[in-house]
Amino acid sequence: DAKTTQPPSMDCAEGRAANLPCNHSTISGNEYVYWYRQIHSQGPQYIIHGLKNNETNEMASLIITEDRKSSTLILPHATLRDTAVYYCIVKSRGTASKLTFGTGTRLQVTL
Amino acid sequence: KAGVTQTPRYLIKTRGQQVTLSCSPISGHRSVSWYQQTPGQGLQFLFEYFSETQRNKGNFPGRFSGRQFSNSRSEMNVSTLELGDSALYLCASSLVEVSTDTQYFGPGTRLTVL
Repeated sequence: DAKTTQPPSMDCAEGRAANLPCNHSTISGNEYVYWYRQIHSQGPQYIIHGLKNNETNEMASLIITEDRKSSTLILPHATLRDTAVYYCIVKSRGTASKLTFGTGTRLQVTL
Repeated sequence: KAGVTQTPRYLIKTRGQQVTLSCSPISGHRSVSWYQQTPGQGLQFLFEYFSETQRNKGNFPGRFSGRQFSNSRSEMNVSTLELGDSALYLCASSLVEVSTDTQYFGPGTRLTVL
């Protein structure tokens, strides 16, 4: 699975959009981009995933560049409860289900 | 639908002992994966079970083992505990179909080895 690079930390004011970038320049054609987040000492929570089209669900939007070498997770109106470590993971589907977690981005939402 | 459940949530053991952790996947999910999370190493994959068979394994010593039952529930066992085994152990389940194999995690079991 391709490696991902994320900034170690980011800050966001409550109510504003949080845009979390991820670089995955070695992604291959059958690999999906997954986003999870982990609030302190809890199990990781699935947020969203995509292949090449932009995706949106009730939690977030995922924007994938046309060349698929990078993506951005958007939390449209961040709240204090969105403070967490966010992981961007690249994985092919339909294969053995190993997720390779990097160090993620620690998002701090402030008043 | 109920989420992934793990028992116990907290456990304290001493060096040399063994421990068994349990995971019940989301109803209908046939794959269960186990991960270890420590401050130093982050989240690391231990192994995955599908239809009672281990089909993927991470780079952990043989002291770490697991199994899966016919109802998809899974257990992992750590023998001869070491101080470095203190960690949050996470279980994740998935449907494992080509159309959707998203993994959903449980709350974890916090193991402390003294």
